[in-house]
Amino acid sequence: ETGVTQTPRHLVMGMTNKKSLKCEQHLGHNAMYWYKQSAKKPLELMFVYNFKEQTENNSVPSRFSPECPNSSHLFLHLHTLQPEDSALYLCASSARDINQPQHFGDGTRLSIL
Amino acid sequence: GQNIDQPTEMTATEGAIVQINCTYQTSGFNGLFWYQQHAGEAPTFLSYNVLDGLEEKGRFSSFLSRSKGYSYLLLKELQMKDSASYLCAVSDDYKLSFGAGTTVTVRA
Repeated sequence: ETGVTQTPRHLVMGMTNKKSLKCEQHLGHNAMYWYKQSAKKPLELMFVYNFKEQTENNSVPSRFSPECPNSSHLFLHLHTLQPEDSALYLCASSARDINQPQHFGDGTRLSIL
Repeated sequence: GQNIDQPTEMTATEGAIVQINCTYQTSGFNGLFWYQQHAGEAPTFLSYNVLDGLEEKGRFSSFLSRSKGYSYLLLKELQMKDSASYLCAVSDDYKLSFGAGTTVTVRA
């Protein structure tokens, strides 16, 4: 139990579907992150939120739309995805301190048909 | 850009020692983290180095040389449960840049 919960754990969707990934943290952190993890590749940072404000968008296509309604919840809305978007999507949270580690959820395994 | 290199795979015997190297070239540096990730699970924090030298935590130790852009993670007295992927990550202004990970297989 890492204190960061992601749902669903697995998601299969067609290219024209709309779905959302959810992340919730119970650690009192004020920064939250979305990462993409593809096989044999480094984790790619997608978005960063600090105190509910987006501070980083790492050139992510607009078919991925993040939402952070409060410092405990983070969503990733998906629309018109491509087969190359199939990957593990990881959420993380951290305290706003550069010496503190990020805590990760177990991820959502996304498959695009 | 960020460039972080680590070996793809390593194999070692139960009870042995394995050293995972990580070299980095990044635009900024606020510290270096090591994470462990078992298949299908979340990456979990192992260690953090910001100053040169060795940090020891039980069977795991991590070393940093900032002038050389180099770190290693040392796993001692290997156990079967240590079979996992080990991720090196450099922190720059609250953002982490990761290496591709080193898959360690521990054999009996």
